[in-house]
This record gives sequence, C-alpha cells and structure tokens, in this order.
Amino acid sequence: GAGVSQTPSNKVTEKGKYVELRCDPISGHTALYWYRQSLGQGPEFLIYFQGTGAADDSGLPNDRFFAVRPEGSVSTLKIQRTERGDSAVYLCASSLGGQSNEQFFGPGTRLTVL
Amino acid sequence: QKEVEQDPGPLSVPEGAIVSLNCTYSNSAFQYFMWYRQYSRKGPELLMYTYSSGNKEDGRFTAQVDKSSKYISLFIRDSQPSDSATYLCAIEMEYGNKLVFGAGTILRVKS
Repeated sequence: GAGVSQTPSNKVTEKGKYVELRCDPISGHTALYWYRQSLGQGPEFLIYFQGTGAADDSGLPNDRFFAVRPEGSVSTLKIQRTERGDSAVYLCASSLGGQSNEQFFGPGTRLTVL
Repeated sequence: QKEVEQDPGPLSVPEGAIVSLNCTYSNSAFQYFMWYRQYSRKGPELLMYTYSSGNKEDGRFTAQVDKSSKYISLFIRDSQPSDSATYLCAIEMEYGNKLVFGAGTILRVKS
C-alpha cells in the first residue's frame, strides 16, 4: 500500500520502560507530524518535521518524549520512563509540503502502559 | 477554554436524514478548516478542506465556514449507515503547520 504505515500497531509495556514507535510516511512526502489521541478526544499535536529537522516540537509534553527523522523519511517517536498517563493512540501523518498541506494519517500505534 | 469546541454527541439519526455537525473556534488567526472522518481503530481520513468563508460542496458533503462567527459546519445529505463514524473538525493557523482538532462527534446512522 502507498499510505502511511506505523509499527507496531499495538504496544503494551510496563511503567518505567522505554518504547519506540515507528512511522513510514508516504514516499516523497517532506513533512511528517506526530499526534497523540486519548480516548474520546481529538488528536493532539506533538511534533512536526520538515525534512530532517523538527520545525515545531511545542506539543511534546516533557523531556521524556523525543522524536527523530534522520534521513528525512522514516521517523521514530521515543518515550523514556513511560507512565500510565502516556497510554493513548499515537498517530503519524505526512504531507507533500509545498503547494499541498493535506495531512494523510496512518492507522496509529495503540500504546498501553501498565 | 479550548481552542476548538465540538459537541461529542453521540448523534443518532435514521438513514436518509440530513446531518449537521458543528465546531466553534476562539482564535481568529486560524486560516484553514478541515473535516476528518475516523472509523473505529483507524486513522483520520480527510473529507473536506476549505480556507475561505462560504460553502464548499463535494457529493453528499457540504462544508460551511463563517469566519465572522468563528463557526464551521459539515452537512451530510442522504446519510447512510456507512457514514457512522467519528467526525473531527481540524483547524490550521499556518499553512503546513500543526492541526488543532475538536474532540470529535460520534455519528450513528440507523438503517
């Protein structure tokens, strides 16, 4: 498929552990976004990459959250010392950039912290 | 006060009904307005996108923006059971930047 893919689809971890969530954007899309969606809420912005650099990381809740996009394609969201409150669906989106700002979303990774 | 307010519903209608979904926003600097549909355990899917006040139609869907009132709407004509989903309004202040979402309205269309 040509859409945004995210792995794993589900992740269960214990409080205090480290997790990595991966996003493969649509080929050729220069912009990549991470959002977090809690139950019954809309997605909440975390961070936005234009190419390899983070253009806006104002949504990251604290320094336990970090994201990278080293080659301007795949991105990894990293969460250290997970807490129960981190449980949510983590969504990734990509857009072509330039003259199109339409964001295409992946299916998300459902993170559960026990 | 949240930047974008949206009634979470649920909204239950019979098949064939006209559905009206609404959001209000607080910041007049918002420029781009979108409606996404999200099925259970799926990512949001873009339905409508507009950047000016007025109406935009696409098949059974009409998006309406009133910037003076900071009010956006999505109308669905001849609703179908397959329209049952959560509908999210999303607003963008700068082109290509982050989206600010409403909480989403759960819609159920009964056959």
